[in-house]
Amino acid sequence: KNEVEQSPQNLTAQEGEFITINCSYSVGISALHWLQQHPGGGIVSLFMLSSGKKKHGRLIATINIQEKHSSLHITASHPRDSAVYICAVFTSGSRLTFGEGTQLTVNP
Amino acid sequence: ETGVTQSPTHLIKTRGQQVTLRCSSQSGHNTVSWYQQALGQGPQFIFQYYREEENGRGNFPPRFSGLQFPNYSSELNVNALELDDSALYLCASSLAGTGGSGYTFGSGTRLTVV
Repeated sequence: KNEVEQSPQNLTAQEGEFITINCSYSVGISALHWLQQHPGGGIVSLFMLSSGKKKHGRLIATINIQEKHSSLHITASHPRDSAVYICAVFTSGSRLTFGEGTQLTVNP
Repeated sequence: ETGVTQSPTHLIKTRGQQVTLRCSSQSGHNTVSWYQQALGQGPQFIFQYYREEENGRGNFPPRFSGLQFPNYSSELNVNALELDDSALYLCASSLAGTGGSGYTFGSGTRLTVV
């Protein structure tokens, strides 16, 4: 069993829909990252969370430390949101352990 | 403030050859971490360098080695390349002691071994 599990693996939505991607982890962490990866490989950090909730534009990330669970929400989804979304946790030092990623496709 | 720069962006090598990948860390960062991302999978931690010393290593064989230079830039070397080494290699820089705040990724080097 992976230390970081994401669901769903693939998600297809229509433009405008509300999207939720879930992440569960089984290890102690100091913080959790939500990352976005576009075709071609570059990774962009969306959020780093250690508690509570963060919001940036149409993106919202929440974390429940007791339940070892985090969610990434996208409101009013748009085709440009199509990408792979990856959950990653800081376990020791600056080492990240990654989930497998969620491939999101938003159709116009 | 520059970001993390990796070179080259793409590379094709033959099985058995050796390869060196390079990473320039973001200004003000002193820690560099390397990750391997196989197609369709999440990145896997290779190793991390802090103050020119290896500071943690993942489950990769010794033919994966690295260096960090006084300016905090870093190299990843892979000897005796195997077909399964084909992957996207990502470098990330950070500042030690900040709990990962400002963790910044490069765009990666896509290595193909034929």
